[in-house]
Parts: sequence; structure tokens; C-alpha cells
Amino acid sequence: GESVGLHLPTLSVQEGDNSIINCAYSNSASDYFIWYKQESGKGPQFIIDIRSNMDKRQGQRVTVLLNKTVKHLSLQIAATQPGDSAVYFCAEGGATNKLIFGTGTLLAVQP
Amino acid sequence: GAGVSQSPRYKVAKRGQDVALRCDPISGHVSLFWYQQALGQGPEFLTYFQNEAQLDKSGLPSDRFFAERPEGSVSTLKIQRTQQEDSAVYLCASSQGGTGFSYGYTFGSGTRLTVV
Repeated sequence: GESVGLHLPTLSVQEGDNSIINCAYSNSASDYFIWYKQESGKGPQFIIDIRSNMDKRQGQRVTVLLNKTVKHLSLQIAATQPGDSAVYFCAEGGATNKLIFGTGTLLAVQP
Repeated sequence: GAGVSQSPRYKVAKRGQDVALRCDPISGHVSLFWYQQALGQGPEFLTYFQNEAQLDKSGLPSDRFFAERPEGSVSTLKIQRTQQEDSAVYLCASSQGGTGFSYGYTFGSGTRLTVV
């Protein structure tokens, strides 16, 4: 299928290691943040979200950290698996219903 | 249906041709969004519907782009006189809620448009 990962920042990890993907967001008024996973030829798939009144939220094998002071968001994936290989986007939302997406990071998991 | 369905999956258009891209949202979802994703980049907002009302079309790049959702379910994105810079994946998303982000988006797989 076609690639969505051309010319993107790439994070290469070994299977079983933990992965940390970082994102800087642009609008200090944003109050909702989402991480999406996108595989080749597919639409973005929701992973985890967090509201601006929180600084950490955990899901299954994933944790999102929010630092509003420096407008930074991170996604931590524990025990990374080959199926985690994809492009990861952060997105921010605010008063309107539209999301603003970051540039994306290609996660490559080496077996 | 179980997910957001988009058709066609791929579309090749000659420059100057008109195209129509279809989105079938999840049944009962109030909100519908169109995004454009250029190769290697994140999706960019085009337009937003709440039921049949187009509440935000600020992201449409030119007046060649037109979207409609006449009965509050299926939506069509039309691009007139296509140009090479229109080549991209066009993503549709729907959500249950009417305002805010109380309900998450679900994206379709997109339509890849190539203008030659």
C-alpha cells in the first residue's frame, strides 16, 4: 500500500523496548489532545486522548503526558511490538470542533 | 455500518476534470468532517457538518471545493476543475456528539486522489 511516512521523523526501536514519541503543539488555548496511529493505506486510528486539566493519562500499554507550560505532548508505548509500527500523529482541539494535526513520527519496530 | 466508509478508494483524474468523493458516516453520528492529507503530512481540516448544516468551511482551499450533506447522513466532497496540487488523500470522519470533543472521531480509510 502507499506510504504515509515519507520524509517524516523516524523513531527506530527494538521489539520489547519502550517507545517515546514527542509532539509540540501550537495553540495555548487548545484544551483537548489526541494521539492517532496511522498505518499505510488506512485512516488515523484513535489511541488515547487527554484534556488540558490533566497532565497524565494511561491506557493499555500507552501513556500520554501533557506539559502545558512548554506546550509539549508525549506518547509512551510500553513493550513495543511489531504491530505498533506506523506513523503517529498528535492532534489538538479547542473551542471549535476541528483538530489540528502535527507532522507525525514514523515508528519502526525492529524484531 | 460498523465504520466510516469512503468511496472510491482510489481516483485518478485528468487535470481539469470534476470529481466527487463520497462518505458514509457511522449511522446516527451527528458530526461529519472532511480532511485533506498530503503525502507525508498530517491531515488538514477542510470542513465540518452538524447534521445537514455546514458549520465551518474555513479549510476549503478554494471555491473549486464544495461539500454537502443534504439529509444529514451521507456527504459528498466535490472538486471542480481538478489541479495537480489537489492530489492527496481525502479523509472523512464522524462523531456521535454535536459539539466539542466529548465523543471521539472515527476516520474512514480515505480516498486517494491523483490528478495527472
